[in-house]
Amino acid sequence: GQQVMQIPQYQHVQEGEDFTTYCNSSTTLSNIQWYKQRPGGHPVFLIQLVKSGEVKKQKRLTFQFGEAKKNSSLHITATQTTDVGTYFCAGYMDSNYQLIWGAGTKLIIKP
Amino acid sequence: NAGVMQNPRHLVRRRGQEARLRCSPMKGHSHVYWYRQLPEEGLKFMVYLQKENIIDESGMPKERFSAEFPKEGPSILRIQQVVRGDSAAYFCASSPTGLAGGEQYFGPGTRLTVT
Repeated sequence: GQQVMQIPQYQHVQEGEDFTTYCNSSTTLSNIQWYKQRPGGHPVFLIQLVKSGEVKKQKRLTFQFGEAKKNSSLHITATQTTDVGTYFCAGYMDSNYQLIWGAGTKLIIKP
Repeated sequence: NAGVMQNPRHLVRRRGQEARLRCSPMKGHSHVYWYRQLPEEGLKFMVYLQKENIIDESGMPKERFSAEFPKEGPSILRIQQVVRGDSAAYFCASSPTGLAGGEQYFGPGTRLTVT
C-alpha cells in the first residue's frame, strides 16, 4: 500500500546542535505537509510544500521537497528546548483525500 | 474563534462496553477527519466526513466502528464492544475544504483506555 517512511525514529541532540528528519514516499506526492506534536499534545500544522524542488524557511526551520516529489526533509538549526516534540510529515497522493503520515521523528534535547 | 473541540479528553471503558467520541469542528469547517494514534506511532487515517455524508471510510475497521457527522451537532466516532486493542488516542481534525492539500486543524484528542 501507499507508505511514507520517516527517519530517524529518534534523534538526541545537545541544545544548539542541528536536527534533521527525512521522509520518503513510495509514490509521487501531490504535496507534503509537516506537523509538530508536543508530548501529550496534538499535531499542529507547520507548513505545506507543493512544488517540485521547493524550499521554505520559517526562522530556524528549513523545509525541502524533492525534485521527484517523493521525498522531503525538515532541518532545524541550533535547536532550542522549545523545539522538543515529534515532527511528522504527511503527504497527499494525487486525487486522494487521505493524508498518509510518516511515523514521526522525536527530537530529544540531551540534559 | 474556538478551535476544534473534542470530548471527552479521557475515556475509560471496560471490554465489551461502547465508546462515543465527539468532535466539534472549527466554525465554518464542514470537513472532518478522524485519526487513531498508538503510542510512539504516527497517525492512521480512519474516516473522512462532510455534513451528513461519509466520504471515505477506508481506514476504519468494518466491524464495531462507525462514524457520523449530522446536519446539527458534533461528529461522533462510535466504537461498540471495545477491546483492549482499541486503546489509543483518537484525534479529530477539520478543514474548510475537502480538497487534497488543505491544512487540517486538530483537536486535543480523546485518550481511550480499555480495561
